Amino acid sequence: ILNVEQSPQSLHVQEGDSTNFTCSFPSSNFYALHWYRWETAKSPEALFVMTLNGDEKKKGRISATLNTKEGYSYLYIKGSQPEDSATYLCAFSSGNTPLVFGKGTRLSVIA
Amino acid sequence: EPEVTQTPSHQVTQMGQEVILRCVPISNHLYFYWYRQILGQKVEFLVSFYNNEISEKSEIFDDQFSVERPDGSNFTLKIRSTKLEDSAMYFCASSVWAAQETQYFGPGTRLLVL
Repeated sequence: ILNVEQSPQSLHVQEGDSTNFTCSFPSSNFYALHWYRWETAKSPEALFVMTLNGDEKKKGRISATLNTKEGYSYLYIKGSQPEDSATYLCAFSSGNTPLVFGKGTRLSVIA
Repeated sequence: EPEVTQTPSHQVTQMGQEVILRCVPISNHLYFYWYRQILGQKVEFLVSFYNNEISEKSEIFDDQFSVERPDGSNFTLKIRSTKLEDSAMYFCASSVWAAQETQYFGPGTRLLVL
């Protein structure tokens, strides 16, 4: 059974703080790692799809790194804003298999 | 920007009733998916659909569940006889190609079975 773990489960930061959280996934049979941002009552929004070991991707103040050999990815948010408050989900794929999701990290940014 | 839409946003039903959840995937996408999230748990894969047939399904997707693309735009999930444990948020998603590509999610239908 494939298991994807995210930590921390929830996080409260002050506006302007930078923060990061972790997604751990199986290091064997890796194909892709997806990050999503999910705000309440909205669709989960795709942030990144990462496929290569050492990949770093950036979208505005959000960036992500990937280590497929040890099975982890970090998501970083620089200078958090209240609008960054959301649940951040990662999902692992081992090829033509369904996405396996972590439980998410719920981020609250306090103004 | 094209988006996946789902209706209804909320549905309340009695145990044993049939429900149909509807989705309109992004028009040029070829793969369609249903996921669910029971409150407090992980998002779980239910089924993927390609070329008018199921390409993969999970253990959750038993005989009570079925999917259909009735008219070339809608993609539906039917639960024949709902159980209390079917209460969850149901997400539809679509992608141009298969699971390794970006999947675009709808806003979900929250189903409550009483």
